[in-house]
Amino acid sequence: TQLLEQSPQFLSIQEGENLTVYCNSSSVFSSLQWYRQEPGEGPVLLVTVVTGGEVKKLKRLTFQFGDARKDSSLHITAAQPGDTGLYLCAGKRYSSASKIIFGSGTRLSIRP
Amino acid sequence: DAGVTQSPTHLIKTRGQQVTLRCSPISGHKSVSWYQQVLGQGPQFIFQYYEKEERGRGNFPDRFSARQFPNYSSELNVNALLLGDSALYLCASSLGTDGGNEQFFGPGTRLTVL
Repeated sequence: TQLLEQSPQFLSIQEGENLTVYCNSSSVFSSLQWYRQEPGEGPVLLVTVVTGGEVKKLKRLTFQFGDARKDSSLHITAAQPGDTGLYLCAGKRYSSASKIIFGSGTRLSIRP
Repeated sequence: DAGVTQSPTHLIKTRGQQVTLRCSPISGHKSVSWYQQVLGQGPQFIFQYYEKEERGRGNFPDRFSARQFPNYSSELNVNALLLGDSALYLCASSLGTDGGNEQFFGPGTRLTVL
């Protein structure tokens, strides 16, 4: 059983469309991160959110941490082919700060 | 500056064999973490080392062990390999163990167990 559930698992959309990826848990996290991973490479950190209700923007990407610190979302506006990749959410719990728990990932494909 | 490096990039072993994977952190980083990423899943935490001491351990059997050297590089050892150990093994380095420290991942070692 995954502690962090991501949805959808796969998403294929046309260039220019908007999309939202969700990361949900029944556990509370001290912080939550989003990574993007491309084939043959390790994950690359996009953002860290630490405050319940926090919203962070990175160009066309908007990240939100749930008020209860149990969930997060990633919204991409006007998706581009360069956004293609595996998006992973990862959280740290108060009880185990050294252990990062990853979600199962959302594989995103943007069609030109 | 060089990022996190891992060797080898690919490895093929047979069941029952032993394997050693290597990781060199970013210069100045004292913490190294290891993750296992099975195809189609997110990475799973195996170990974290800081200043040569184990600071965290995930839910992996004792067949998995690791160590960190004085130069902060690290090795991950897996004994008595099983088919299910086939995965991408990722190493990540950070300045310390504080939650605010960003982890930088290497490209991984792809292990195939036949």
